[in-house]
Amino acid sequence: EVQLVESGGGLVQPGRSLRLSCAASGFTFDDYAMHWVRQAPGKGLEWVSGISWNSGSIGYADSVKGRFTISRDNAKNSLYLQMNSLRAEDTALYYCAKDSLAVAGPYNWFDPWGQGTLVTVSS
Amino acid sequence: QSVLTQPPSASGTPGQRVTISCSGSSSNIGSNTVNWYQQLPGTAPKLLIYSNNQRPSGVPDRFSGSKSGTSASLAISGLQSEDEADYYCAAWDDSRWVFGGGTKLTVL
Repeated sequence: EVQLVESGGGLVQPGRSLRLSCAASGFTFDDYAMHWVRQAPGKGLEWVSGISWNSGSIGYADSVKGRFTISRDNAKNSLYLQMNSLRAEDTALYYCAKDSLAVAGPYNWFDPWGQGTLVTVSS
Repeated sequence: QSVLTQPPSASGTPGQRVTISCSGSSSNIGSNTVNWYQQLPGTAPKLLIYSNNQRPSGVPDRFSGSKSGTSASLAISGLQSEDEADYYCAAWDDSRWVFGGGTKLTVL
């Protein structure tokens, strides 16, 4: 069974940093691109970042570009999101999602999604 | 303000057919495929429809998707109480993924 388990969320002050992790199992991790998608409380879904199978192609939403860094360790079947200079508007449930292909593209989809880890940015 | 536009709410009675629209532009829906995700209350999103009209294994054929030009639609026939959820459309747009704002479906 394909499983994605996020961790690393918590309460953090504005301007501080946090690193999220996503542990993958049940599939060949280095065959697929991976993504982070967030959902602010009571709001819709927002794509945050994506990374190709070999980290050769990386993309970010404009709202996090320059502050967040996505990475992966294929040997550990893990995806990461380093979040720096956090703002109140980054408060959200952060989901890890598996892409349908090795490189993100216009004909792909996300399946499955993890259960999410909650990040709260507040003083 | 989401790049893809969905109605914030929709409703229907059991057994009815409901449709949810998703409007975009030439840079997203107009040139790429559309996916739909279902988010049941308190749970993570789940893939419902991919590549405009394909159902993953396990998704009932009551759910169907279509696309025309820069718009897409999700149809649910034979509405059931367990279909009460939030539904999101998504498409690729200039090297990034964009989502609709979501439609909350209420089964009356």
